[in-house]
Amino acid sequence: GENVEQHPSTLSVQEGDSAVIKCTYSDSASNYFPWYKQELGKRPQLIIDIRSNVGEKKDQRIAVTLNKTAKHFSLHITETQPEDSAVYFCAASRRAAGNKLTFGGGTRVLVKP
Amino acid sequence: GAGVSQSPSNKVTEKGKDVELRCDPISGHTALYWYRQSLGQGLEFLIYFQGNSAPDKSGLPSDRFSAERTGGSVSTLTIQRTQQEDSAVYLCASSLSSDSYNEQFFGPGTRLTVL
Repeated sequence: GENVEQHPSTLSVQEGDSAVIKCTYSDSASNYFPWYKQELGKRPQLIIDIRSNVGEKKDQRIAVTLNKTAKHFSLHITETQPEDSAVYFCAASRRAAGNKLTFGGGTRVLVKP
Repeated sequence: GAGVSQSPSNKVTEKGKDVELRCDPISGHTALYWYRQSLGQGLEFLIYFQGNSAPDKSGLPSDRFSAERTGGSVSTLTIQRTQQEDSAVYLCASSLSSDSYNEQFFGPGTRLTVL
């Protein structure tokens, strides 16, 4: 089955700096890669996703890159703000397998004002 | 509109007892997923339903776990003879369908504590 590794497990950045989270996956057939943000005590919420036929996607201060050959994808947050503090999860799935998500272990991001 | 809802929000039970967790998906969503989030760990897939098709149970950790979805809407996850290692937050998610790249919307979860 699919296995997703996520690094780092914790990340502390100064407000205004950039944050980068990296994930690798094992199943070359995976074709959908969402990122979820989970604030303390809250439900996970999708912040951005990318399909396997796209190499990069941006949404304001957030961007995701995908390298299918190397089987890794990354989340980039620029100009970090205190409200970006949360746990971020990457995930991978195959549309043909019902899009059941395999998640990475999560990255706890702390943005220091 | 209303999002995914789950009940109860918290459940404390004794080892060996059975528990039922309920999920109400977003209206019109044909796909429903159950995940488990253990303390300090990521999210683990358990089971998913797509319309009236047979569910994919490949993530269920043991035969003590089962789920059903009645009328293509509400789902119930049942854990029989609960064990302490079953303590976790059980999250339900729904999406428009499972056969396309549709966002999965998560519910608030049920925090299960087995004493």
